[in-house]
Amino acid sequence: AQTVTQSQPEMSVQEAETVTLSCTYDTSESDYYLFWYKQPPSRQMILVIRQEAYKQQNATENRFSVNFQKAAKSFSLKISDSQLGDAAMYFCAYRRGDKIIFGKGTRLHILP
Amino acid sequence: DTGVSQDPRHKITKRGQNVTFRCDPISEHNRLYWYRQTLGQGPEFLTYFQNEAQLEKSRLLSDRFSAERPKGSFSTLEIQRTEQGDSAMYLCASSQGDSTYQPQHFGDGTRLSIL
Repeated sequence: AQTVTQSQPEMSVQEAETVTLSCTYDTSESDYYLFWYKQPPSRQMILVIRQEAYKQQNATENRFSVNFQKAAKSFSLKISDSQLGDAAMYFCAYRRGDKIIFGKGTRLHILP
Repeated sequence: DTGVSQDPRHKITKRGQNVTFRCDPISEHNRLYWYRQTLGQGPEFLTYFQNEAQLEKSRLLSDRFSAERPKGSFSTLEIQRTEQGDSAMYLCASSQGDSTYQPQHFGDGTRLSIL
């Protein structure tokens, strides 16, 4: 069975600094997708960034980038120039077919 | 694009009562998903529809749970004889097309509290 593990329940970062959130997953498949979702307090979950497993190039979306290590089954999220609005729960997710499996999340605090 | 809409936002009910939630997906989206999220956990998949067909159900979806999408547009999730363990946030998401690459757009969720 596929599993997604986020080993950091909470993290804090100073505003304007860089932070990296960790995620590992377990799968025997070779073709799948990985996502990072952001869930601000009392607000809906939104997609931050996505990565196709067959692509070696790491995805980048403005201040958000990933470090995808397929052999190690690692998919970390780097947030550069952290902003107060980045404070949220961040969920790493694995998708194959129509089912998404989420990790337990990392709560990110931004320190002004 | 008005986003995925869920109603109600909050529901408080007594144990043993039936509850029904509604989800209106983004209008052109043919796929609709239900998830359950308990405190401190990520969302867990419950079921999904492609148009009006319910294509997959999780083992988490006990016999007390039923979901419908009769006309391929909005969907309802009903929980019968609610139990304390049903307290959670119920999230709905929708996506367009058959590609698994298409992202799912989430609603704000319905928070269910069982007294």
